Amino acid sequence: DAGITQSPRYKITETGRQVTLMCHQTWSHSYMFWYRQDLGHGLRLIYYSAAADITDKGEVPDGYVVSRSKTENFPLTLESATRSQTSVYFCASSADYEQYFGPGTRLTVT
Amino acid sequence: LAKTTQPISMDSYEGQEVNITCSHNNIATNDYITWYQQFPSQGPRFIIQGYKTKVTNEVASLFIPADRKSSTLSLPRVSLSDTAVYYCLLFSGGYNKLIFGAGTRLAVHP
Repeated sequence: DAGITQSPRYKITETGRQVTLMCHQTWSHSYMFWYRQDLGHGLRLIYYSAAADITDKGEVPDGYVVSRSKTENFPLTLESATRSQTSVYFCASSADYEQYFGPGTRLTVT
Repeated sequence: LAKTTQPISMDSYEGQEVNITCSHNNIATNDYITWYQQFPSQGPRFIIQGYKTKVTNEVASLFIPADRKSSTLSLPRVSLSDTAVYYCLLFSGGYNKLIFGAGTRLAVHP
């Protein structure tokens, strides 16, 4: 099915572990984004990518790593998870000003 | 960075028109004003975008005064399913400057 998907939808991990969240889109959009959303807050941009092999930092990039070897995939890695990274993570893609969001991944770091 | 200010919450009743105003005093000349809707446990969904005057689509209208320092999202005849958080977003000089505020939590009552 066309669209944007995220996996896993739910993840529980321990402090210090490496975690990778996956994002896949089928529209061939140039831009892809990772946001985090904490309870009672809006979305904060972590990283974004303008095209394959082009990534840049957003508002809150510390503790995260991204890569984009293919246009359709944009994984987000927490190299050493901390409790403060417990959040809901949304991936999005865009061809212009309109962003299309995935269903989100709820990550809990214990 | 351009910043937006919205009411934290609003209440309405089914069948009423709802107007949500967003203030953006420092909007730049090339900024577009974009609104998103977010339901619980879902990613945001694009509603409408405008630059000046009035824009209308099948879902909402967006009113922007001449000075562009504010904008008003108008939802005609709301229903219970319009209960959501609404975000005003300025597309401000590049994706790395995208800022989602805390949004306006709209509750529609029977």
